[in-house]
This record gives sequence, C-alpha cells and structure tokens, in this order.
Amino acid sequence: AQSVTQLDSQVPVFEEAPVELRCNYSSSVSVYLFWYVQYPNQGLQLLLKYLSGSTLVKGINGFEAEFNKSQTSFHLRKPSVHISDTAEYFCAVSKYSSASKIIFGSGTRLSIRP
Amino acid sequence: DVKVTQSSRYLVKRTGEKVFLECVQDMDHENMFWYRQDPGLGLRLIYFSYDVKMKEKGDIPEGYSVSREKKERFSLILESASTNQTSMYLCASSSGTGDCGFGNGTRLTVT
Repeated sequence: AQSVTQLDSQVPVFEEAPVELRCNYSSSVSVYLFWYVQYPNQGLQLLLKYLSGSTLVKGINGFEAEFNKSQTSFHLRKPSVHISDTAEYFCAVSKYSSASKIIFGSGTRLSIRP
Repeated sequence: DVKVTQSSRYLVKRTGEKVFLECVQDMDHENMFWYRQDPGLGLRLIYFSYDVKMKEKGDIPEGYSVSREKKERFSLILESASTNQTSMYLCASSSGTGDCGFGNGTRLTVT
C-alpha cells in the first residue's frame, strides 16, 4: 500500500523568502506523485504532477518539485513566496496504474508574513 | 477543466438518520473518490470506484457505503449518521494518470 508523510504541519515564512515543503512517500511499486493546493475557503486544485521523465517538475504560480527515488521524496519549492501563496498544500501518491487509489498526506499550512 | 458537482454545500442531519451525498462529474472519468477532510488529518479516502458498479474500500470505510450505477455519478451513503461523521466531504474524479478534479465539498454536521 502507498502512504504519504508531510513532515511539517505548519510553515511560516516571510514574504519574498524561499520555501520548501517536504513530502516523503512509501510504495513498493512505481508511483505518480502530486501536489495540490487549497486556498482559504476554496476547493483543491492541482499544482503539479510527476508521471515519468524529468525528475524536476514545474507547476503553476512558480512552484516546482523534485522527485528523488532513492530518498522517496517529492519536496515542493518556490524561490520567492508572495502573500497570495498562503494556503494549505497537500502531497499525494498513486500507483502506476489507470485504476488506482490516490492517497493524500496530512497537509502543510503555509503562512506568509509581510 | 473537470467539473465535479456535489449536490449540497451544507447539510445538517440528526444522529441515526440515513444520509446521501451525491456527486456528478462531466469528464467521462473512470475513477471517482470520496474523501473526508478534517483539520490536521488531511484528506482520508473513504471509498474509491474504478468503474460502474465497481468499488474498493479506502482507509476509513466503516459507517459508509457507496453506489455507482452510472459512470458520471458516485454516491456516498451514511447508513446511520453519528456525530463523529461531522466533517467536510470531498468528491473527486480522475483519468488514468491520477490527477483529480475536486468538487467544492459538502460540510456535514450531525447533531
């Protein structure tokens, strides 16, 4: 079975500072990996995804993530955050299959200080 | 864009009632999901369906059942609602590559 661990429940950063949100997964088979974002009082939307190929994945709003198979990690990064990035971020994993569960982590709340 | 529609935004039910949460998607996706979202716990998978009439338990199926009679519709049923089922319920659908479109959620309160 797959599982996801988001190591930080809350991450406070100053505006224009860099940020890294950590995600580790566990799986005995090949996986797809995702980051979703939930802005306050809104639904979840896909930020980026890793299916195969290049291990560095670029998403919307200047975010990127790097797939590291040896460390079973998929950390999310942004070089300079804005107030508008305040949200909860969820890492997710599914098996390399067309019919597979998608398992989410517990979320990381990113708060940006001016 | 995937459109996933949940029939109710807010619901208030009494303990012991049978509760139906409905979800419809318009993208012809095979896979549909029901999650509940609670603070600090993230999204926990209740049930997953990979085809019409096919279902698979998620991590927390106890107290819930599901129905998928048509490809576009996936219903979550609380057989006898309890206060510990007060939560935000999210429906999602996905293609084979797994990225989901989500509904806006149903906030269920059981009193």
